[in-house]
Amino acid sequence: RKEVEQDPGPFNVPEGATVAFNCTYSNSASQSFFWYRQDCRKEPKLLMSVYSSGNEDGRFTAQLNRASQYISLLIRDSKLSDSATYLCVVKFQGGKLIFGQGTELSVKP
Amino acid sequence: DTAVSQTPKYLVTQMGNDKSIKCEQNLGHDTMYWYKQDSKKFLKIMFSYNNKELIINETVPNRFSPKSPDKAHLNLHINSLELGDSAVYFCASSPSGLNTDTQYFGPGTRLTVL
Repeated sequence: RKEVEQDPGPFNVPEGATVAFNCTYSNSASQSFFWYRQDCRKEPKLLMSVYSSGNEDGRFTAQLNRASQYISLLIRDSKLSDSATYLCVVKFQGGKLIFGQGTELSVKP
Repeated sequence: DTAVSQTPKYLVTQMGNDKSIKCEQNLGHDTMYWYKQDSKKFLKIMFSYNNKELIINETVPNRFSPKSPDKAHLNLHINSLELGDSAVYFCASSPSGLNTDTQYFGPGTRLTVL
Protein backbone atom coordinates (compact mmCIF):
# COMPACT_ATOMS: atom_id res chain seq x y z
CA ARG A 1 0.00 0.00 0.00
CA LYS A 2 1.34 3.43 -0.92
CA GLU A 3 2.09 5.74 2.00
CA VAL A 4 -0.04 8.50 0.48
CA GLU A 5 -2.69 7.68 -2.10
CA GLN A 6 -4.64 9.97 -4.40
CA ASP A 7 -6.92 9.48 -7.37
CA PRO A 8 -4.66 10.62 -10.25
CA GLY A 9 -7.60 11.88 -12.32
CA PRO A 10 -7.69 13.74 -14.58
CA PHE A 11 -10.69 15.67 -13.35
CA ASN A 12 -12.17 17.68 -16.21
CA VAL A 13 -14.65 20.30 -14.94
CA PRO A 14 -16.30 23.42 -16.36
CA GLU A 15 -15.55 26.86 -14.99
CA GLY A 16 -17.59 27.58 -11.91
CA ALA A 17 -17.85 23.94 -10.85
CA THR A 18 -17.08 22.63 -7.39
CA VAL A 19 -14.53 19.82 -7.30
CA ALA A 20 -13.27 17.67 -4.44
CA PHE A 21 -10.06 15.71 -4.14
CA ASN A 22 -9.44 12.94 -1.66
CA CYS A 23 -6.30 11.50 -0.18
CA THR A 24 -5.55 8.68 2.26
CA TYR A 25 -2.36 8.04 4.20
CA SER A 26 -1.10 4.86 5.80
CA ASN A 27 0.96 6.02 8.77
CA SER A 28 -1.20 6.90 11.76
CA ALA A 29 1.77 8.64 13.38
CA SER A 30 1.83 11.27 10.64
CA GLN A 31 2.25 14.73 12.07
CA SER A 32 1.27 17.36 9.54
CA PHE A 33 -0.69 17.52 6.34
CA PHE A 34 -0.62 19.79 3.32
CA TRP A 35 -1.85 20.39 -0.17
CA TYR A 36 0.72 21.51 -2.70
CA ARG A 37 -0.01 22.65 -6.24
CA GLN A 38 2.20 21.83 -9.22
CA ASP A 39 1.68 23.48 -12.58
CA CYS A 40 2.80 21.67 -15.73
CA ARG A 41 6.60 21.51 -15.89
CA LYS A 42 6.93 23.70 -12.81
CA GLU A 43 7.93 23.16 -9.20
CA PRO A 44 5.46 22.27 -6.43
CA LYS A 45 4.23 25.17 -4.29
CA LEU A 46 2.43 25.06 -0.96
CA LEU A 47 -1.28 25.69 -1.42
CA MET A 48 -2.38 25.26 2.18
CA SER A 49 -1.79 23.34 5.36
CA VAL A 50 -4.55 21.05 6.63
CA TYR A 51 -5.70 21.24 10.23
CA SER A 52 -7.85 18.86 12.22
CA SER A 53 -10.55 21.50 12.62
CA GLY A 54 -10.64 22.09 8.87
CA ASN A 55 -9.51 25.31 7.28
CA GLU A 56 -10.52 27.57 4.45
CA ASP A 57 -8.61 29.94 2.22
CA GLY A 58 -10.91 31.76 -0.17
CA ARG A 59 -12.39 29.20 -2.55
CA PHE A 60 -10.31 26.38 -1.09
CA THR A 61 -11.33 24.25 1.90
CA ALA A 62 -9.17 21.52 3.38
CA GLN A 63 -10.26 18.90 5.88
CA LEU A 64 -8.53 16.19 7.86
CA ASN A 65 -10.01 13.09 9.44
CA ARG A 66 -7.30 11.50 11.57
CA ALA A 67 -9.44 8.54 12.56
CA SER A 68 -9.98 7.58 8.92
CA GLN A 69 -6.52 8.82 7.84
CA TYR A 70 -8.19 10.86 5.16
CA ILE A 71 -7.57 14.35 3.78
CA SER A 72 -9.69 16.32 1.36
CA LEU A 73 -9.50 19.50 -0.70
CA LEU A 74 -12.59 21.27 -1.99
CA ILE A 75 -12.36 23.93 -4.68
CA ARG A 76 -15.44 26.07 -5.20
CA ASP A 77 -16.20 28.22 -8.26
CA SER A 78 -13.35 26.72 -10.29
CA LYS A 79 -11.28 29.09 -12.43
CA LEU A 80 -9.28 28.30 -15.53
CA SER A 81 -6.18 29.20 -13.52
CA ASP A 82 -6.92 26.38 -11.06
CA SER A 83 -5.83 23.87 -13.71
CA ALA A 84 -2.84 22.08 -12.21
CA THR A 85 -1.87 18.93 -10.34
CA TYR A 86 -2.77 18.93 -6.65
CA LEU A 87 -0.39 17.01 -4.41
CA CYS A 88 -1.43 15.59 -1.05
CA VAL A 89 1.56 15.74 1.31
CA VAL A 90 2.05 14.13 4.71
CA LYS A 91 4.86 14.81 7.13
CA PHE A 92 6.09 11.78 9.03
CA GLN A 93 8.07 11.62 12.24
CA GLY A 94 11.59 12.80 11.55
CA GLY A 95 10.32 15.55 9.30
CA LYS A 96 10.22 13.69 6.02
CA LEU A 97 7.56 14.84 3.56
CA ILE A 98 5.78 12.09 1.64
CA PHE A 99 4.04 13.20 -1.53
CA GLY A 100 1.05 11.56 -3.16
CA GLN A 101 1.07 10.98 -6.89
CA GLY A 102 -1.06 14.07 -7.42
CA THR A 103 -4.53 14.64 -8.85
CA GLU A 104 -4.69 16.42 -12.17
CA LEU A 105 -7.36 19.08 -12.57
CA SER A 106 -8.34 20.62 -15.88
CA VAL A 107 -10.88 23.47 -15.79
CA LYS A 108 -12.50 24.14 -19.14
CA PRO A 109 -14.27 27.32 -20.31
CA ASP B 1 15.41 37.57 -6.88
CA THR B 2 15.01 33.81 -7.37
CA ALA B 3 14.63 32.18 -3.96
CA VAL B 4 15.81 28.65 -4.83
CA SER B 5 17.75 28.29 -8.04
CA GLN B 6 19.11 25.24 -9.81
CA THR B 7 21.54 24.78 -12.68
CA PRO B 8 21.31 23.48 -15.26
CA LYS B 9 17.62 23.53 -16.08
CA TYR B 10 18.03 20.79 -18.68
CA LEU B 11 20.71 18.12 -18.82
CA VAL B 12 21.01 15.54 -21.59
CA THR B 13 23.85 13.06 -21.31
CA GLN B 14 24.98 9.58 -22.22
CA MET B 15 24.85 6.52 -19.99
CA GLY B 16 27.98 6.09 -17.92
CA ASN B 17 28.79 9.79 -17.66
CA ASP B 18 29.21 11.70 -14.40
CA LYS B 19 27.23 14.92 -13.93
CA SER B 20 26.46 17.49 -11.25
CA ILE B 21 23.44 19.62 -10.50
CA LYS B 22 23.83 22.77 -8.42
CA CYS B 23 21.35 24.35 -6.05
CA GLU B 24 21.46 27.66 -4.23
CA GLN B 25 18.95 29.38 -1.96
CA ASN B 26 19.02 33.01 -0.89
CA LEU B 27 16.30 32.68 1.73
CA GLY B 28 18.65 32.20 4.67
CA HIS B 29 17.17 28.74 5.30
CA ASP B 30 19.03 26.13 7.33
CA THR B 31 17.69 23.01 5.63
CA MET B 32 17.94 21.91 2.02
CA TYR B 33 16.64 18.87 0.17
CA TRP B 34 16.93 16.94 -3.05
CA TYR B 35 13.85 15.27 -4.54
CA LYS B 36 13.41 13.08 -7.61
CA GLN B 37 10.20 13.20 -9.66
CA ASP B 38 9.92 10.26 -12.03
CA SER B 39 7.85 9.84 -15.18
CA LYS B 40 4.84 8.80 -13.09
CA LYS B 41 5.05 12.13 -11.27
CA PHE B 42 5.89 10.66 -7.86
CA LEU B 43 8.03 13.11 -5.94
CA LYS B 44 10.40 11.31 -3.55
CA ILE B 45 12.92 12.73 -1.14
CA MET B 46 16.50 11.66 -1.67
CA PHE B 47 18.57 13.69 0.80
CA SER B 48 18.27 16.46 3.32
CA TYR B 49 20.98 18.65 4.86
CA ASN B 50 20.67 20.90 7.89
CA ASN B 51 23.47 23.43 8.28
CA LYS B 52 25.71 21.38 6.01
CA GLU B 53 25.04 18.12 7.88
CA LEU B 54 23.26 15.18 6.30
CA ILE B 55 20.03 14.42 8.19
CA ILE B 56 17.98 12.39 5.71
CA ASN B 57 19.48 9.82 3.39
CA GLU B 58 16.86 7.69 1.70
CA THR B 59 17.60 4.45 -0.08
CA VAL B 60 19.45 6.01 -2.97
CA PRO B 61 22.25 4.31 -4.96
CA ASN B 62 25.77 5.22 -3.89
CA ARG B 63 26.23 6.78 -7.32
CA PHE B 64 24.34 9.78 -5.95
CA SER B 65 26.41 11.97 -3.66
CA PRO B 66 25.17 15.26 -2.23
CA LYS B 67 27.60 17.95 -1.16
CA SER B 68 26.85 21.03 0.90
CA PRO B 69 29.76 23.52 0.91
CA ASP B 70 27.69 25.94 2.99
CA LYS B 71 24.10 26.15 4.17
CA ALA B 72 23.03 28.11 1.07
CA HIS B 73 24.22 25.47 -1.37
CA LEU B 74 23.43 21.81 -1.88
CA ASN B 75 24.85 20.15 -4.97
CA LEU B 76 24.09 16.69 -6.31
CA HIS B 77 26.73 14.65 -8.08
CA ILE B 78 25.74 11.54 -9.99
CA ASN B 79 28.31 8.97 -11.14
CA SER B 80 27.91 6.40 -13.89
CA LEU B 81 24.51 7.65 -15.04
CA GLU B 82 21.90 5.04 -15.93
CA LEU B 83 18.76 5.22 -18.06
CA GLY B 84 16.62 4.98 -14.92
CA ASP B 85 18.14 8.18 -13.58
CA SER B 86 16.14 10.14 -16.14
CA ALA B 87 13.77 12.31 -14.11
CA VAL B 88 13.22 15.83 -12.87
CA TYR B 89 15.35 16.63 -9.82
CA PHE B 90 14.05 19.33 -7.49
CA CYS B 91 16.01 21.12 -4.83
CA ALA B 92 14.08 22.61 -1.91
CA SER B 93 14.76 24.50 1.29
CA SER B 94 12.96 25.19 4.55
CA PRO B 95 13.58 27.69 7.34
CA SER B 96 14.76 25.78 10.36
CA GLY B 97 15.11 22.07 10.48
CA LEU B 98 12.70 19.27 9.89
CA ASN B 99 10.01 20.76 12.12
CA THR B 100 9.30 23.46 9.61
CA ASP B 101 6.32 22.73 7.45
CA THR B 102 6.79 24.81 4.34
CA GLN B 103 9.37 23.81 1.77
CA TYR B 104 10.31 26.08 -1.10
CA PHE B 105 11.20 24.32 -4.31
CA GLY B 106 13.59 25.26 -7.07
CA PRO B 107 12.46 25.15 -10.72
CA GLY B 108 13.82 21.65 -11.26
CA THR B 109 16.50 20.08 -13.45
CA ARG B 110 15.20 17.81 -16.18
CA LEU B 111 17.79 15.05 -16.63
CA THR B 112 17.65 12.81 -19.69
CA VAL B 113 20.05 9.89 -19.91
CA LEU B 114 20.44 8.42 -23.41
